[in-house]
Amino acid sequence: GAGVSQSPSNKVTEKGKDVELRCDPISGHTALYWYRQSLGQGLEFLIYFQGNSAPDKSGLPSDRFSAERTGGSVSTLTIQRTQQEDSAVYLCASSMPTSGVTSSTDTQYFGPGTRLTVL
Amino acid sequence: AQSVTQPDIHITVSEGASLELRCNYSYGATPYLFWYVQSPGQGLQLLLKYFSGDTLVQGIKGFEAEFKRSQSSFNLRKPSVHWSDAAEYFCAVGAGFGNEKLTFGTGTRLTIIP
Repeated sequence: GAGVSQSPSNKVTEKGKDVELRCDPISGHTALYWYRQSLGQGLEFLIYFQGNSAPDKSGLPSDRFSAERTGGSVSTLTIQRTQQEDSAVYLCASSMPTSGVTSSTDTQYFGPGTRLTVL
Repeated sequence: AQSVTQPDIHITVSEGASLELRCNYSYGATPYLFWYVQSPGQGLQLLLKYFSGDTLVQGIKGFEAEFKRSQSSFNLRKPSVHWSDAAEYFCAVGAGFGNEKLTFGTGTRLTIIP
């Protein structure tokens, strides 16, 4: 498609259940990012992929959070044993390095997000 | 580590009035600065960015921002707002090569009144 897509758009789950959030980046974009947007908070960086590898996982809040990317395209963010504090909008972005080296100077294109509600 | 402060949580302006949204950053070296807009139900859209050169940068939708190193600021401006500008605005800072993540402020919600 023309932009970054995410699914589902909304997810309601019960505390303790596992959830998977999916991101389809813009075709050809080698870098992929996950952010979390909690109520009243800014966007919080979670993890970044270059190709299928994740050089920076520093933002993952706990070991309940994991992410993978396959084929240099689709990425899945998995949250195990969800807690109420995990409720947030999870945003995915992708970018294409313009200089051969991925950089925050590359424009990141964001998807519409997945709104996760943990009851 | 870099950080961004957007001191105004919510701003209300009249349609046709001028707008200035404040952003202050903290970063030890030359920052890479961005403004994004998030309309209801939409993803974030890049308005403009500053890396180097002219400190006044022009963006889409008639927005501009000025980088002031002495004040560690990157305020967003628009001479005359339209009702369609109602949205949430986020300032972000990146550290450039070798540090790909963006650090965002908490956002400023803009309301436009007729």
